[in-house]
Amino acid sequence: AQSVTQLGSHVSVSEGALVLLRCNYSSSVPPYLFWYVQYPNQGLQLLLKYTSAATLVKGINGFEAEFKKSETSFHLTKPSAHMSDAAEYFCAVSDPNGQNFVFGPGTRLSVLP
Amino acid sequence: DTEVTQTPKHLVMGMTNKKSLKCEQHMGHRAMYWYKQKAKKPPELMFVYSYEKLSINESVPSRFSPECPNSSLLNLHLHALQPEDSALYLCASSQRVNEKLFFGSGTQLSVL
Repeated sequence: AQSVTQLGSHVSVSEGALVLLRCNYSSSVPPYLFWYVQYPNQGLQLLLKYTSAATLVKGINGFEAEFKKSETSFHLTKPSAHMSDAAEYFCAVSDPNGQNFVFGPGTRLSVLP
Repeated sequence: DTEVTQTPKHLVMGMTNKKSLKCEQHMGHRAMYWYKQKAKKPPELMFVYSYEKLSINESVPSRFSPECPNSSLLNLHLHALQPEDSALYLCASSQRVNEKLFFGSGTQLSVL
C-alpha cells in the first residue's frame, strides 16, 4: 500500500527566497507521484506529475520536483517565492493502475514580504 | 472547457433533510471522483466512477449515495447526515483513472 509523508506542516519563506516542500513516499510498486496546490476556499489544482519518465518534472507557476528513488523522495521546489504562492500543498501517490491514490497530510506555505 | 463545476457552493442542512450535491464536466473525462475534506486535512477519497460504473467505494456510510447518470454528471445524494459529516466535498474528474485530476471548487456542507 502507498503512503506519503510531508515534513513540516507549515513552512514560511520570504518573498524571493527558495521554496522547498518535502515529500517522501512509501510504495510497493513503482509509484506515480503528484503535487497539488489548494488556495483558500478552493478546490485542488495539479502542479505537476511524475509517471516514470523524466525524473525532473516541471510544473506550472515555476514549480518543479525531482523524483529520487534512492531517497524515496519527490520534493517540490521553486527558485523564488511569490506572495501568490501562499497556499496549502499536497503531495500524493498512486500505483500506475490508479489504485491506492493517497494524499499526504499537506504543507501550508506562507510567504512573508 | 477545462472546468469541473460543482453546485451548490454552500449547503446547510438538518439531520433529517435529503439533499444532493452535483458535479459536471464537459472535458470528455471517463473517471469521476468524490472526495471529502475536513479543515486543515487532506482530501479523503469516497467514491470513484469509471465509465459511469462505480469502481471504488472507500467504505463510505450508506447515508452518502453516489450516482453517475451519464459521463458528464456525478451526483452525491445525502440523507440523514450527522454533524461530523460537515466538510468540503470535492468532485474531480480525469480522462481515465489515474490520469491528471481536475478538481471542482467544492461544496462546503454544514450539517446542523
